[in-house]
Amino acid sequence: GQQLNQSPQSMFIQEGEDVSMNCTSSSIFNTWLWYKQDPGEGPVLLIALYKAGELTSNGRLTAQFGITRKDSFLNISASIPSDVGIYFCAGQQGGGAQKLVFGQGTRLTINP
Amino acid sequence: EAQVTQNPRYLITVTGKKLTVTCSQNMNHEYMSWYRQDPGLGLRQIYYSMNVEVTDKGDVPEGYKVSRKEKRNFPLILESPSPNQTSLYFCASAGRAQSPLHFGNGTRLTVT
Repeated sequence: GQQLNQSPQSMFIQEGEDVSMNCTSSSIFNTWLWYKQDPGEGPVLLIALYKAGELTSNGRLTAQFGITRKDSFLNISASIPSDVGIYFCAGQQGGGAQKLVFGQGTRLTINP
Repeated sequence: EAQVTQNPRYLITVTGKKLTVTCSQNMNHEYMSWYRQDPGLGLRQIYYSMNVEVTDKGDVPEGYKVSRKEKRNFPLILESPSPNQTSLYFCASAGRAQSPLHFGNGTRLTVT
């Protein structure tokens, strides 16, 4: 199947620092999604991006849909302890969720 | 409360002993799917269902079966589990295939 390369795989930061992670692909996607998975729970949608170049914020989170449609990034500003978890990017080509491809995940750990 | 419910949350079994993981959603969603999550590989789709009696293979369907006799339920069946099916499994649903996915809280399966 298709692959999304998500980096970094893990991050260890201090509380209050900003965080940046990204996903790249050799394929073009029509939709980019960012999910967060808390320990012991399923992924929850954070941000959905539907247009190339789109920049969308959700509180301290900002995500962008790359102009080439082959990449996306997620930034978290002023991190807090509840930001701990695994973040997944997902790319979707035409059709719907049956074509959704997930990245490998970025595990975020925050030292208070 | 709108939710996707999986049971059991944890399951330890032996090779070859048939098992079923149940998934139920109370949102009247048309689309449902099963994923497995393995370290370094992200989420990979096993099977999906666009509606009642309509199911199709995802990226890693070998060793699994599903059924969609009712809209709310989408059980995952392992006829003869093997150790390489040890994983964390997630059920997800969406109003339509084009809508964001809602995930259950996961089932951690260990096959010895």
